[in-house]
Amino acid sequence: DAGVIQSPRHEVTEMGQEVTLRCKPISGHDYLFWYRQTMMRGLELLIYFNNNVPIDDSGMPEDRFSAKMPNASFSTLKIQPSEPRDSAVYFCASSRRTGLNEQFFGPGTRLTVL
Amino acid sequence: AQSVAQPEDQVNVAEGNPLTVKCTYSVSGNPYLFWYVQYPNRGLQFLLKYITGDNLVKGSYGFEAEFNKSQTSFHLKKPSALVSDSALYFCAVRVDQAGTALIFGKGTTLSVSS
Repeated sequence: DAGVIQSPRHEVTEMGQEVTLRCKPISGHDYLFWYRQTMMRGLELLIYFNNNVPIDDSGMPEDRFSAKMPNASFSTLKIQPSEPRDSAVYFCASSRRTGLNEQFFGPGTRLTVL
Repeated sequence: AQSVAQPEDQVNVAEGNPLTVKCTYSVSGNPYLFWYVQYPNRGLQFLLKYITGDNLVKGSYGFEAEFNKSQTSFHLKKPSALVSDSALYFCAVRVDQAGTALIFGKGTTLSVSS
């Protein structure tokens, strides 16, 4: 298994531009999570899906952020318009719904907004 | 509110010495606790978990953790540290019984010197 795949690995953009981050979860996993990691705030859960349905988006910082999961093998996190304070590493993770609850993380996307 | 705290930003140990990375938690109900490790420029990797049962949990790479209900702690330990153990370590607590969302601590950087 290739693990959780994220693209791009690095993204540099200018303030005001739209940014789309992509994630392919591990096949057979029915939970998908988006996290943001910064030095100041640590690791924050933004949103998570179960069977492609958003369950909890209370961590999404504001309306500029949106996430979709059109099918079991693909999810996007979009920021529109982007701001410098959105600069962070964004992780996608997936898990199977069992008592183990182990989450498998992707390598992350390092976003820099100038 | 559910929370997890890692009181030390950094832990320094010499190779071959035992190591401890501390974690305390606050939850309503039974805690489900996890440790993850993050190497530079990588996503988080699962180390071990406590769900129920034996208070001493063994995990990957020779790590173990001890659940202490009276002290609400879940410290990560290893009898003999390796330089390759140097990384960022996260403690996490599971939030709700039905779902799978985790709350992560801010992380502790472990530095093992040769």
